[in-house]
Parts: sequence; C-alpha cells; structure tokens
Amino acid sequence: EADIYQTPRYLVIGTGKKITLECSQTMGHDKMYWYQQDPGMELHLIHYSYGVNSTEKGDLSSESTVSRIRTEHFPLTLESARPSHTSQYLCASSGFDSTGEQYFGPGTRLTVT
Amino acid sequence: RKEVEQDPGPFNVPEGATVAFNCTYSNSASQSFFWYRQDCRKEPKLLMSVYSSGNEDGRFTAQLNRASQYISLLIRDSKLSDSATYLCVVMKRGGQNFVFGPGTRLSVLP
Repeated sequence: EADIYQTPRYLVIGTGKKITLECSQTMGHDKMYWYQQDPGMELHLIHYSYGVNSTEKGDLSSESTVSRIRTEHFPLTLESARPSHTSQYLCASSGFDSTGEQYFGPGTRLTVT
Repeated sequence: RKEVEQDPGPFNVPEGATVAFNCTYSNSASQSFFWYRQDCRKEPKLLMSVYSSGNEDGRFTAQLNRASQYISLLIRDSKLSDSATYLCVVMKRGGQNFVFGPGTRLSVLP
C-alpha cells in the first residue's frame, strides 16, 4: 500500500465557501501532483510540484491554488467553491528516479451545492 | 492530437478470452512506459512497467515498439476481476513528466 493520504475523503459544501483539500505522503517523494477526474472520464493534471517551493499549473485550467512548504504536504485550495468544481480530486507522488511510478492517494470526492 | 491515445473501448469479453489493448504516444523523447489499472471510483494503481524487450507478469504481457511509438497490453484467460479501466502512461523528461492516456474500459462477462 502506498503511504499517501488525502482528507477529507468526501466533502459536500455550499457555493462560495473556501475549501482546502489535504494531501500528505510519507515516502519522501519530491514530486507531487493533483489530478481532477469526473466519473468515467480521464484524469486531468491541474497542478504539480517538483519540490519545496516549486509549483506549476498543469494542462487543465483550474481556479484552485497549491502550495508546497514541506516535502510531505501538498494542499489544494479553492477560494470560492462553485458547482462546476464538483469532481474527484486525486493526489499523487513519485520519486526522482527515472523509472519511478506514481503513487495515488484515495481521492477526495467534492460536491458543491 | 492527444499526446497519448488509446483504443476507445469499451471492451466486453467473456471469461477466459484473450484481449489486447493498444496505445500510441506522440513524443519521441518519452523515456518510460507503464500500464495502470483503475477500478470504478478508485485511484489508479500501477499494473506493470513496459520494457523495450517486452515483459510478462502472469497473464499480462506488455510490449513496446519505440520505432512506431506504440505500446500494447495483452491479457490472457480473462477473469471477472480484470474488469477495470486500463490507463497507458508515458513518462518524459521535464515538464509535467507523466502523461496519462484516456483509458480503455474492460468488462469481463460471466
């Protein structure tokens, strides 16, 4: 089992609220990622980080922001949630070795009403 | 054109069948290749890495053709538990590093 954790697992929240999705890993991985995935659809990369103080936007435009102050922690924040943000959010990490696989957390299923 | 493309699926096959999935990638600088499996409403998990010489893990065989930029996954003697979405993943140096294909859904029927 991968040592990567996400909280909360499920979140139902009203429009306009600020939310932070937590992601932590205990594997010492430098690279971390956030993906968004709607049911039955493909993964879309929204943010990634190569290490502390490094953050980049992914392919899919997102209104969320991320921070990487500690190696093990990569939280994602939505300043003002909207129904269009309803989705599953998956966090992943990988090591810096050239053949490293990605390890995924269990995901946060977000519903904005 | 997407950087990683896969058979659109879904594949509905009877138990015991052999099924093959195809994947093509457009970036010739791609370094490493993987097949991931994703069960419904779960996170993706690594099924197997794909090596240039081809590799086998039980009922699963992966092949890589760098010249054609093509990857395949063969599943023999399909089990009900093989039902899932299979994701082709390409790793390249720099940038976002991992690129996931859209996935091919497999349903193994009794």
